[in-house]
Amino acid sequence: SQQGEEDPQALSIQEGENATMNCSYKTSINNLQWYRQNSGRGLVHLILIRSNEREKHSGRLRVTLDTSKKSSSLLITASRAADTASYFCATDEGTSGTYKYIFGTGTRLKVLA
Amino acid sequence: GAVVSQHPSWVICKSGTSVKIECRSLDFQATTMFWYRQFPKQSLMLMATSNEGSKATYEQGVEKDKFLINHASLTLSTLTVTSAHPEDSSFYICSAKQGRFYNEQFFGPGTRLTVL
Repeated sequence: SQQGEEDPQALSIQEGENATMNCSYKTSINNLQWYRQNSGRGLVHLILIRSNEREKHSGRLRVTLDTSKKSSSLLITASRAADTASYFCATDEGTSGTYKYIFGTGTRLKVLA
Repeated sequence: GAVVSQHPSWVICKSGTSVKIECRSLDFQATTMFWYRQFPKQSLMLMATSNEGSKATYEQGVEKDKFLINHASLTLSTLTVTSAHPEDSSFYICSAKQGRFYNEQFFGPGTRLTVL
């Protein structure tokens, strides 16, 4: 399986600023999800966006999806130090009925207080 | 709802021994479970897809004889790392699929394996 690409690989911002992460993928999808992972910990599900949706909001999170460009972005507004973590996108391979997830390479976000 | 647990949360073993990791869906039935491996500062790589009552499907490059997967019930899947070596040291994460929610997967907290 091929991983999706995320950029930037690392991002360092000041508290209160917005953080934008981008994800590109290779195959057609049913949905795309964003996860957060604190260092050495498990995944926290943030948001799911379906292939027929273009934008979704959840609190300070805004996700967009452009299936024509096979890309998605995650915007975190008014960032906090507690947002420091790695962020991954995951796409489901809708073919063959297995719906396995392919994770992006991840963006390591550091929010400075 | 939709909680997945893993046991143990961390394990240290000697080279050559086998280690079993359990993945349980606590409040739902999971017909499909997935096993991932994550090396430090890297992303999650899918190792295998496990369907209840059938053989697991392994991703290319994953040795099925080394990573034994058993999905004996709708709430439990196990991953056994056989004859572990230091290069098998990694963070192993399972997920369980609850199909009615648009195939969303629910992830366990992970198991840190260190092979000495």
